[in-house]
Amino acid sequence: EPEVTQTPSHQVTQMGQEVILRCVPISNHLYFYWYRQILGQKVEFLVSFYNNEISEKSEIFDDQFSVERPDGSNFTLKIRSTKLEDSAMYFCASSEPQLALTYEQYFGPGTRLTVT
Amino acid sequence: QQQVKQSPQSLIVQKGGISIINCAYENTAFDYFPWYQQFPGKGPALLIAIRPDVSEKKEGRFTISFNKSAKQFSLHIMDSQPGDSATYFCAAMGYKYIFGTGTRLKVLA
Repeated sequence: EPEVTQTPSHQVTQMGQEVILRCVPISNHLYFYWYRQILGQKVEFLVSFYNNEISEKSEIFDDQFSVERPDGSNFTLKIRSTKLEDSAMYFCASSEPQLALTYEQYFGPGTRLTVT
Repeated sequence: QQQVKQSPQSLIVQKGGISIINCAYENTAFDYFPWYQQFPGKGPALLIAIRPDVSEKKEGRFTISFNKSAKQFSLHIMDSQPGDSATYFCAAMGYKYIFGTGTRLKVLA
């Protein structure tokens, strides 16, 4: 069964450093999303991406964040200058074109980001 | 208005029992209500979802009950099994997913 994959599974970085989290969505999916989950808390929407541009973003997704689809398979989230409060699990999700109308999103296993 | 309130925070059920998790929302623009199941170290996985034009949807042991007038929906897990032990999130979709705070379910063997 096709699945969303994410790398790395765990990233440790120092405050102020840039990090790039990588995702490979399901191959025929065209809608892509990033979410974060601070330990023990709910999943929070960060951004949605379609047709090579951001379609929606939350108030969390400030100028420190950016997303990119650098090739036909990868979808990345960059945090330019990490802060301690960026420590969280980051989930990538994707959905099919037709299923986007039903909003069914498939989540990856997540990348745990630890900022020290 | 963008919040989805979920209860209880944690739930312990005996094997074979019924697990019930409730969610409430305020924004009437929401038009899709999924439930996600999350095991430790894994991403959320879609379990079952409903649209507000139906009051109930059943898939196997999982049932969503939806009360549009009360702006509430709930997940019922019949014949709960130890393998159902996980965290369950409700969500509501307008232009983006809004997740509930999660319910940690433990099913005792």
